[in-house]
Amino acid sequence: DSGVTQTPKHLITATGQRVTLRCSPRSGDLSVYWYQQSLDQGLQFLIQYYNGEERAKGNILERFSAQQFPDLHSELNLSSLELGDSALYFCASSVDPNSGTEAFFGQGTRLTVV
Amino acid sequence: GQSLEQPSEVTAVEGAIVQINCTYQTSGFYGLSWYQQHDGGAPTFLSYNALDGLEETGRFSSFLSRSDSYGYLLLQELQMKDSASYFCAVRGASGNTPLVFGKGTRLSVIA
Repeated sequence: DSGVTQTPKHLITATGQRVTLRCSPRSGDLSVYWYQQSLDQGLQFLIQYYNGEERAKGNILERFSAQQFPDLHSELNLSSLELGDSALYFCASSVDPNSGTEAFFGQGTRLTVV
Repeated sequence: GQSLEQPSEVTAVEGAIVQINCTYQTSGFYGLSWYQQHDGGAPTFLSYNALDGLEETGRFSSFLSRSDSYGYLLLQELQMKDSASYFCAVRGASGNTPLVFGKGTRLSVIA
């Protein structure tokens, strides 16, 4: 158990809908990252937050948004969903965003858009 | 920006040694990490190199050459359970650079 909690584990929704994925980082970790992993693909970096503020942005679609709350949990909002958004969405956390060392991953949310 | 290249697939025999290479491009450099991911699972941290040389952790070792922007993961005494995807990841040195992953190398260990 990495200490990072993601909910829900599975999500099935229709095209055009909006969903919210939730992540609770490890206790003490201030930095949260979101990644998208499509079938047989690598981990595509979406966005990073540190202590409530956006720190870095990857190739995140405009239909996607995220935030980190004062209690450090984070939510990833996906709207106007398309079939191609079906993927595993991982949240990871680390103590220090400038550290090159370990990031701890949650078990992911498997999103299926039908 | 940051980018990484690693082979997409590697097959090796149980008990053998396998090396997974990774080359990277990044503006600034903060270190090269390796992660393992089994099918359907979450990536888990294996090793990290900030300085040139070899880091050993049990059956796994990781090497870094900063001048060549190159690193590798060495897995010894391969076991069937080592069949997984292995990702190298790099973080740039400026304040707002994220941890970026390569596309991963799928290792198949065969009997």
